[in-house]
Formats: sequence, C-alpha cells, structure tokens
Amino acid sequence: DAKTTQPNSMESNEEEPVHLPCNHSTISGTDYIHWYRQLPSQGPEYVIHGLTSNVNNRMASLAIAEDRKSSTLILHRATLRDAAVYYCILSFRDDKIIFGKGTRLHILP
Amino acid sequence: DTEVTQTPKHLVMGMTNKKSLKCEQHMGHRAMYWYKQKAKKPPELMFVYSYEKLSINESVPSRFSPECPNSSLLNLHLHALQPEDSALYLCASSQDPTSGDTQYFGPGTRLTVL
Repeated sequence: DAKTTQPNSMESNEEEPVHLPCNHSTISGTDYIHWYRQLPSQGPEYVIHGLTSNVNNRMASLAIAEDRKSSTLILHRATLRDAAVYYCILSFRDDKIIFGKGTRLHILP
Repeated sequence: DTEVTQTPKHLVMGMTNKKSLKCEQHMGHRAMYWYKQKAKKPPELMFVYSYEKLSINESVPSRFSPECPNSSLLNLHLHALQPEDSALYLCASSQDPTSGDTQYFGPGTRLTVL
C-alpha cells in the first residue's frame, strides 16, 4: 500500500492560515488523497479529498502537486477548535482506511 | 443526520467478564467498521461489514466477536480480554463499501480491562 509522510507536529497562530503538508511519492494513478482530522476525545472526521485538481469546501482547501507526489491541506483561518491530529490517507483499498501517524496541530491564541 | 452513535461511552471490565459494545447509524449506509485506537496512536482497522456480511477481519483475536444484526446496528462482543486490549474502540459507517466513500465515525467507547 502507498504510504504517506507527514510532520509529527505543527504550530500556528490563531486566525492565520495553516498549511499542512503530506508526501506520498508512491501514489498510484487511481489513488484518491483523503484528509481526516481527530479532535481531542472524538472520533476522526472527514475534512476533504481529491484526485488531481485542487479542491475547496467549507472546512478547508486541498492543493495537489502536479506530479501528485505531495499535497497540502490549507486551513484558511485557524481557530482554537482546529487543534487536532490531521491524517493524510491515500485512497481506500478493499474498503480500508490505513491511517498514518498524522500531524498534531497546535493553535496558539 | 450524519451521526454514528456508540454505547457505552466508557466501559471497565475484568478479564473474565463478557460485555458488548454497540454502534448505530440511521444514514442508510451499507458498510460498517470497527477500529481500535491506543493512546497517542492512529486508529487501526479491526473489522469491515459490507451489506451486513463480514468482509474483512484484520487477524483480530477471537476474544473480539463482531455481529451485524441489521443494516443499522453493529455490535462488538468482548470475552476474556487482556489488559493490553484497553483502548478506544471506534465505529464508522460509509454509504457504499466498494467506492471508497467518506467514512463517518462515532465518538468511540473507551474500554479499560483490569
């Protein structure tokens, strides 16, 4: 299975944009890139997903490199409630989600 | 309604006890999942039910026994657990099990085995 690499942790100031990187150099042509996040004491929640083109939704934007070997989740204006572990996940093989270690995002007031 | 509910929220049990975890969704989803999450670690898939049939068992010990009585309900029966089984148990569901749909997670049951 293709793997993802994310920084262990990141910090950002409140009300500033946050760019969360993910490397996936072994991605295949049919793999979707999914992002989930897990807030403290909660189950993971879906954030966004994409295949080749950049994607926007009410929560975030996903920027995908032209060669698809990396992507960036963009939170346009971070709030304290965005403090969570963010997981970058490739596609779903056989109905599975394989979580990587994720990035723990700290928001500074 | 995109809610997956899990009961109980917390469970403490001895190694000789038998208990069950319950998961429910009313979104009409046809795939349901059990995950195990240890502290500071990512969730790990345990079981997948597709159209009420067990489709994936990730080599989980037999002391964990899943059951899907109907399309809305998923149970995890626990028997003779070990202290190392203490973890957060997460349930999830998705609409179509074969298309990589978004999975919706419940809040989890925090299990402590004494």
